[in-house]
Amino acid sequence: AQKITQTQPGMFVQEKEAVTLDCTYDTSDPSYGLFWYKQPSSGEMIFLIYQGSYDQQNATEGRYSLNFQKARKSANLVISASQLGDSAMYFCAMREGSGGSNYKLTFGKGTLLTVNP
Amino acid sequence: KAGVTQTPRYLIKTRGQQVTLSCSPISGHRSVSWYQQTPGQGLQFLFEYFSETQRNKGNFPGRFSGRQFSNSRSEMNVSTLELGDSALYLCASSSPGQGISEQFFGPGTRLTVL
Repeated sequence: AQKITQTQPGMFVQEKEAVTLDCTYDTSDPSYGLFWYKQPSSGEMIFLIYQGSYDQQNATEGRYSLNFQKARKSANLVISASQLGDSAMYFCAMREGSGGSNYKLTFGKGTLLTVNP
Repeated sequence: KAGVTQTPRYLIKTRGQQVTLSCSPISGHRSVSWYQQTPGQGLQFLFEYFSETQRNKGNFPGRFSGRQFSNSRSEMNVSTLELGDSALYLCASSSPGQGISEQFFGPGTRLTVL
C-alpha cells in the first residue's frame, strides 16, 4: 500500500483564490511527521510546512496552512490568496518514527498546481 | 546562511561509466540524505549519512554508494551507469537540534545517461 497518496495529478486555481491540495497517509507508527514541499520547474525542492503527529494545532506558515485530520490520516495543504508564482509541483511527504535517527522521507506522486491570471 | 549546494548541476555520461555527485549541507547540519527523482518512480530515498556513518539506506542496488566527510560534505557514487539512472539527484540536510521538523534540499544534479 502506498504510504503517501496525492489523488490530484493536476489542479487549477484563479489568482487570489484559495486552493486545497489533498494528501492522505498510511502508517502504524504513532510518531511521525508530515511535510509539504514545492518544486518549481527549476527542480529545487522548497520546504513549505511541517506537522508533527503530536502537534495539537494545525501548522501555519504565512499563506500556507496544513489541515491535519489525524483520524482520517489526511494532511491537506491550503494555500490562501494564490499567486502566479505558486504554479509548481507540490509534494506531500512523511517521516515515520520519532526523527531521532530516521531522516528518511517518503514522498507522494505530487500535484501540479497551475495558477491562472 | 548559505543553503545546500550540489555540484555539478548537470552531467551527461554514457552507459557503463561511473559518476560522483557532491553535496555540501547547510553550515552546522550533520545529516545529509540523498534522493533520486524520475518521472516514472517519483522521489525515492537513496541513503542518509550522519557524522560520517550511513544510518539509513533505501532499496537501490549496490552500484549506488555514498560517503560523508568530517566536514559533513557528502558524495554519492554510481558505478556502471545504466540508462535508467538518468534522473534528478537531490540531497537534503538537517540539523538534529531542529528535531527533523525541517529538511532542506539543494538544487539537484540532473544526470543524463546516454
